Amino acid sequence: DIVLTQSPATLSLSPGERATLSCRASQSVSNYLAWYQQKPGQAPSLLIYDVSNRATGIPARFSGSGSGTDFTLTISSLEPEDFTVYFCQQRYDWPITFGQGTRLEIK
Amino acid sequence: QITLKESGPTLVKPTQTLTLTCTFSGFSLRTSRDSGEGVNWIRQPPGKALQWLAFINRDDVKRFSTSLRSRLAITKDTSKNQVVLTVTNMDPEDTATYFCAHRRSIGTYAYYLDYWGQGILVTVSS
Repeated sequence: DIVLTQSPATLSLSPGERATLSCRASQSVSNYLAWYQQKPGQAPSLLIYDVSNRATGIPARFSGSGSGTDFTLTISSLEPEDFTVYFCQQRYDWPITFGQGTRLEIK
Repeated sequence: QITLKESGPTLVKPTQTLTLTCTFSGFSLRTSRDSGEGVNWIRQPPGKALQWLAFINRDDVKRFSTSLRSRLAITKDTSKNQVVLTVTNMDPEDTATYFCAHRRSIGTYAYYLDYWGQGILVTVSS
C-alpha cells in the first residue's frame, strides 16, 4: 500500500497568515493526489484534485503543488473558516489511501 | 444533483456482522455510461484519520482494503440504487463513522471522491 505522511500533525497560525501543509508519499503517485477539507461533524469535501486543480467553488487562496512523492497545500491568507482538518489522498493505485491529517488551529 | 446517505445499526456487539446500506440518487450503477463510476466506503474512528474500505462500480468490479479484505464484502442493488457493505467479526476498534462516497472515471474530478454521504457513527460495544 502507498503510505501518505502528512506534516505537521497540528499547525498553529493566526488569521491572515500563510499556511503550508505537507504530504509525502512512500512511492511516486505521479500527479494523482487530492486534498480534502473536513469541518467538525461533517464529511470531507474535495478541495484540490490532481495536485493543483481547485474544485468548484474553492477560493483562490487555496493552492496545491508538487509531483511524484512530495506535495504541498498552501493557504495564502487564512480566514477563520479555514481552521479545520485537511487530508491528502492518492488515487494512483489501489488501495486508495489517505494521510493521517493536519489540524489547522488558531494561535 | 448527486446525493448519498448511509443507514444501518448504530450499535453492534463484538463478533457480530455489521451491514450498512448506502442509498444514492443522481446517478445509476445500472445505466451509467461511465463504466468506472461507483461507490466507495470509508470510515473514520473518532478524532482519527480516514480509512478507505471498499469500492464497487457499474461493472461489478470490487476493490478492498488490504488490511480488512478478509472481513469485508460489498454488493449493489441497482434496482434500489443501493450499495451494501458488510463487515464481519466486529471489534470495539471498528467503532467509527462510516461514509459512502461517489467516484466517477470520466470528466472533472475523475477517480476522486466528489460526493459524500453524511456518515453514520457505528459503536461496537457489549
